[in-house]
Amino acid sequence: SYELTQPPSVSVSPGQTASITCSGDRLGNKYACWYQQKPGQSPVLVIYQDTKRPSGIPERFSGSNSGNTATLTISGTQALDEADYYCQAWDSNTAVFGGGTKLTVL
Amino acid sequence: QVQLQGSGPGLVKPSETLSLTCTVSGGSISTYYWSWIRQPPGKGLECIGYIYYSGSTNYNPSLKSRVTISVDTSKNQFSLRLNSVTAADTAVYYCARLVSGRTGAYNYYHMDVWGKGTTVTVSS
Repeated sequence: SYELTQPPSVSVSPGQTASITCSGDRLGNKYACWYQQKPGQSPVLVIYQDTKRPSGIPERFSGSNSGNTATLTISGTQALDEADYYCQAWDSNTAVFGGGTKLTVL
Repeated sequence: QVQLQGSGPGLVKPSETLSLTCTVSGGSISTYYWSWIRQPPGKGLECIGYIYYSGSTNYNPSLKSRVTISVDTSKNQFSLRLNSVTAADTAVYYCARLVSGRTGAYNYYHMDVWGKGTTVTVSS
């Protein structure tokens, strides 16, 4: 079965740029999307179709996808961006999620 | 805008059937796919399966033998049944709208609207 691998944790200082990676076999040949999940809340879509932002998502969130790696980049990271982030792709007629990355802003 | 609200028992006994319903408000259930995702305590997200408003379904192979997803367009609802549950099925269960399409050579799929989640505990 298809697998997506994310680092368990990423730390960033406020105002700096955070990058969260998601690796999978030939992931660049699929569309990737990203969800943000804060404690006790439902996931929120922050990037879809590799690079697009849903309405209401700040411009500091951006995405890319090439080769075997998709990347979520948060520029000018704020304390309120601290959350778990999950990548997702599609394979064999089902959604596949990465294991999630805990972003700590300190 | 579209909102999803899941409902169902929060406690299910081992070997019994978990049943949840998701009510769609603020829009029609027609023309979209609708999905169920779960998240065990302290763990990541797992797609259980999805259904088109017409009734066609697709399930995660790891759960396929125990899962049924159905839709009732007259009530703007879709439902999940998971039978023969064990403690490993304890999780928060989310319903979500699944957007799909195609651009260029690739298909895209993402969940753009999520319900609040229903906590289900399997215990005697």
